[in-house]
Amino acid sequence: SQELEQSPQSLIVQEGKNLTINCTSSKTLYGLYWYKQKYGEGLIFLMMLQKGGEEKSHEKITAKLDEKKQQSSLHITASQPSHAGIYLCGADMAPNNNDMRFGAGTRLTVKP
Amino acid sequence: DVKVTQSSRYLVKRTGEKVFLECVQDMDHENMFWYRQDPGLGLRLIYFSYDVKMKEKGDIPEGYSVSREKKERFSLILESASTNQTSMYLCASSFWSRVSGGADFGPGTRLTVT
Repeated sequence: SQELEQSPQSLIVQEGKNLTINCTSSKTLYGLYWYKQKYGEGLIFLMMLQKGGEEKSHEKITAKLDEKKQQSSLHITASQPSHAGIYLCGADMAPNNNDMRFGAGTRLTVKP
Repeated sequence: DVKVTQSSRYLVKRTGEKVFLECVQDMDHENMFWYRQDPGLGLRLIYFSYDVKMKEKGDIPEGYSVSREKKERFSLILESASTNQTSMYLCASSFWSRVSGGADFGPGTRLTVT
């Protein structure tokens, strides 16, 4: 089983709609990272969260890390076709920087 | 604006062949990583390297080896390719001891073993 569970596995939304992707762990996370991957390409770093309760935004994408540092959400406001792709969360599972895991990814499709 | 490049985007090899996947970064990063990505499993770490000639096993090193003779180049070797090694292979580099914010990924190599 995945140490980082992402939900949903896939998402289809109409352009202009808001959406949320979740990343959950049963363990405390020491750093949480969100990446975006265009189909068949490499990963693009979006945001990093380290403190409980932290929230960061970039354009129409907002990411939050809960107070317990076990769950993060990625929220996209007024989605556009350019938001389509695979979103992956990655996290440091230990404080010594040697154990990073990734979720299985969420495939987002935005219909024009 | 070249950062991390991988030698091939698509590769088709036969079972039993020796396969070399090359990764080059131009950012003077100490740390380089090889992942494979499979549907439903996300990214899994195969090997990583903190310095030239240094390597560490990741979660799934079986069937793979690596070489880091120069700082900018990290090669993944499949000694005898098997069909279960059909996958997307991603290389990454960073200044830190693990892939973290600001790390750079290559475009990936989609390998098919027939």
